[in-house]
Amino acid sequence: DVKVTQSSRYLVKRTGEKVFLECVQDMDHENMFWYRQDPGLGLRLIYFSYDVKMKEKGDIPEGYSVSREKKERFSLILESASTNQTSMYLCASSSLGGPSGNTIYFGEGSWLTVV
Amino acid sequence: AQRVTQPEKLLSVFKGAPVELKCNYSYSGSPELFWYVQYSRQRLQLLLRHISRESIKGFTADLNKGETSFHLKKPFAQEEDSAMYYCALKDNTDKLIFGTGTRLQVFP
Repeated sequence: DVKVTQSSRYLVKRTGEKVFLECVQDMDHENMFWYRQDPGLGLRLIYFSYDVKMKEKGDIPEGYSVSREKKERFSLILESASTNQTSMYLCASSSLGGPSGNTIYFGEGSWLTVV
Repeated sequence: AQRVTQPEKLLSVFKGAPVELKCNYSYSGSPELFWYVQYSRQRLQLLLRHISRESIKGFTADLNKGETSFHLKKPFAQEEDSAMYYCALKDNTDKLIFGTGTRLQVFP
């Protein structure tokens, strides 16, 4: 069973703080993604990564950065949190091929509130 | 431009009624489309994909290239179908482009 684990389910941070959201997958997937989920806006892609140390900007990368030092781990970083970054953050992973190729698996999400 | 449109934010039906959640897409090329579902307090999960042409939990979806649609259907809705449903399109770089989602409420 594919497992995508987001270490923090609920966080409350102050404006200006640096925030780290961690994600680990256990299926040796090449691709990893960070999405943001907001009511009425659906899921919007922040960053994604095809391989270790590789990253690509998604649709809304401003205010975020990412790190992928190991294949199984993909971190989302908010350098200086702002109230408009209050949201649900979803990590996901997928393989390039095989029986489940292209199926994207999601973590449970991290609720971030910035006050 | 690649885009997925779900025109309904909320769809309310009674148990046993037919359900159709609409999805239209814009994509130049051969699309690969998915439906994802998120039940209350659970993670987003794949419901079905058009390539496999399967029926999951009684739901089906047919790709209509002429109308650029991938509507999700179920002949008889159940209360446990109440959830948030997202239509998604995989682009040529393996990313998923999501619609804004439709909340399905099934009343007893």
